[in-house]
Amino acid sequence: QSALTQPPSASGSPGQSVTISCTGTSSDVGGYNYVSWYQQHPGKAPKLMIYEVTKRPSGVPDRFSGSKSGNTASLTVSGLQAEDEADYYCSSFAGSNNFVVFGGGTKLTVL
Amino acid sequence: QVQLQESGPGLMKPSETLSLTCAVSGHSIRSGFYWGWIRQPPGKGLEWIGSIYHSGSTYYNPSLKSRVTISVDTSNNQFSLRLSSATAADTAVYFCARKSGSAWFDPWGQGTLVTVST
Repeated sequence: QSALTQPPSASGSPGQSVTISCTGTSSDVGGYNYVSWYQQHPGKAPKLMIYEVTKRPSGVPDRFSGSKSGNTASLTVSGLQAEDEADYYCSSFAGSNNFVVFGGGTKLTVL
Repeated sequence: QVQLQESGPGLMKPSETLSLTCAVSGHSIRSGFYWGWIRQPPGKGLEWIGSIYHSGSTYYNPSLKSRVTISVDTSNNQFSLRLSSATAADTAVYFCARKSGSAWFDPWGQGTLVTVST
């Protein structure tokens, strides 16, 4: 059970769009539509932003969207705002034993 | 509104057993959902420790399985984590969270820092 692979950093200017990738295997990301994304500001608990690949919890702006192709999931943030600057983590269901695996995290910088 | 709150000692010595409790309010544990523990070493990423169903069924990260026990106390609407033979590598912020069957966590507790040091 290895961690999912995310780029360590990503950046964009206000108003632009940025996409963060999350690569796993057919045993996790590719095998189930159970990918979720979390936003974490410094010193705070993670906040659920996307679940089941594409769904947004109530209260999450529609600037945040998720997708998946094969073993790679993606989070896209459109219309970047200063408050979007944070660490982002992906996570996936990883098997019938209810295993869960996280990505290493991506630091998003709003230039 | 569901809220979770971790509690436990912030400092412990190597070889001791780490024990944390997560108190749940706004939702009865016995009514469903899974409940989980996740940790984050200082400056590093998130690591799933394990989860428990309200019935008591448990699921552990294989890398920690030999040292981890998660239990549920429906009477007090809380669940607990025990991690034996702690080392400095177990120093982390420990979060508890409600977990769905499709493996998303929401909401999360605020987290509690546990430091393992002599």
